[in-house]
Amino acid sequence: DTAVSQTPKYLVTQMGNDKSIKCEQNLGHDTMYWYKQDSKKFLKIMFSYNNKELIINETVPNRFSPKSPDKAHLNLHINSLELGDSAVYFCASSQEPPLGSGGSYEQYFGPGTRLTVT
Amino acid sequence: QKEVEQNSGPLSVPEGAIASLNCTYSDRGSQSFFWYRQYSGKSPELIMSIYSNGDKEDGRFTAQLNKASQYVSLLIRDSQPSDSATYLCAVYSGSARQLTFGSGTQLTVLP
Repeated sequence: DTAVSQTPKYLVTQMGNDKSIKCEQNLGHDTMYWYKQDSKKFLKIMFSYNNKELIINETVPNRFSPKSPDKAHLNLHINSLELGDSAVYFCASSQEPPLGSGGSYEQYFGPGTRLTVT
Repeated sequence: QKEVEQNSGPLSVPEGAIASLNCTYSDRGSQSFFWYRQYSGKSPELIMSIYSNGDKEDGRFTAQLNKASQYVSLLIRDSQPSDSATYLCAVYSGSARQLTFGSGTQLTVLP
């Protein structure tokens, strides 16, 4: 049983196209994330959804839009793709700790989607 | 200034040796600390979490946390070639409600 799954695994597309990446988790977690890992392997948070509400929106271009139909799914839609969008995109999930606790529970990552924009 | 810094690496150790990976962080309010292992072409895999000062052992792995020094480390005893990977330190900021990763340390265990 795959805990966090993503589709597609590979995505090759041309500049200017619009594409989506889908993520699903069966861990019963209430928070899901999108991370971008660039060619230097640096992993950076893009978005976080808690119970279908956006709780983090890092300074990513508004061409990127996360959509969460329910707490088990978080999709990433990208408009007008650019060469610089080429990277590996990881979905992750965790259980949000009580508000004000300051702590965090473990995040579990999906297998990643390697996006190549030509 | 980077929020989470790791020793730059790459780090090479002989098989059977102890590998020591270090990480410092800037947010004094951080309360949750994690080590992830990432093999080439794969996703980050959680191997250790630590929340309080001191040591936490799990098999060949020991995580050490010193909040006063804002320092967290990972020791891998009896290193094996299969431990060769990039190790990512991650620190959770309660105020920002996000996990910040270091740039990773590439470890190679030589047979």
